[in-house]
Amino acid sequence: QVQLVQSGAEVKKPGASVRVSCKLSGYTLTELSMHWVRQAPGKGPEWMGGFDPADDDTIYAQKFQGRVTMTEDTSTDTAYMELSSLRFEDTAVYYCATVLLFGGPFDYWGQGTLVTVSS
Amino acid sequence: DIQMTQSPSSLSAFVGDSVTITCRASQSIATYLNWYQQKPGKAPNLLIYATSTLQSGVPSRFRGSGSETDFTLTISTLQPEDFATYYCQQTYTTPYTFGQGTRLEIK
Repeated sequence: QVQLVQSGAEVKKPGASVRVSCKLSGYTLTELSMHWVRQAPGKGPEWMGGFDPADDDTIYAQKFQGRVTMTEDTSTDTAYMELSSLRFEDTAVYYCATVLLFGGPFDYWGQGTLVTVSS
Repeated sequence: DIQMTQSPSSLSAFVGDSVTITCRASQSIATYLNWYQQKPGKAPNLLIYATSTLQSGVPSRFRGSGSETDFTLTISTLQPEDFATYYCQQTYTTPYTFGQGTRLEIK
């Protein structure tokens, strides 16, 4: 059974960075693709980026290019998402989600991490 | 980017009713269309992938159909636990985009 456990809620000031972790169990990171999605209050989910096995590289939504970095530690099966230069509008719940088959759905999701940007 | 447009944005129904939610893509996405259910404070939960394939454990009262640009999610014989928000998503090409959601409320 796949399980994704994310790090706890964060409160950050504008301009700061935040790093969210996502611990995978039931699979290894090498067996699937990890993606990150965020959801602002009252809004729909928004894909931020993830691993593309076709290119063997991480791809980012253009909106976040230059501000987001997604990394993986395969020794602990933990994925990380770091977002820099935080703005008030980055306040959202951030989710990690797995894709087992290329082009397939987001099969399993973490519980979410609330990031609040406040002065 | 491919835009995903859901309709209606909200609807109310009685337990036992059947409802249909529509999702339209701004260009053809073949059958790379997925549906998720989300309840307050929880992560989205995969219901249907590749337009019409039920995720393991999802009741058969959920049915997906469509192709190219027009897709539907039908829920027959609504149960109390079905009242939630539903999102469509395309995984045809990046950026993977979601619809804005359909909130299903109990009447």
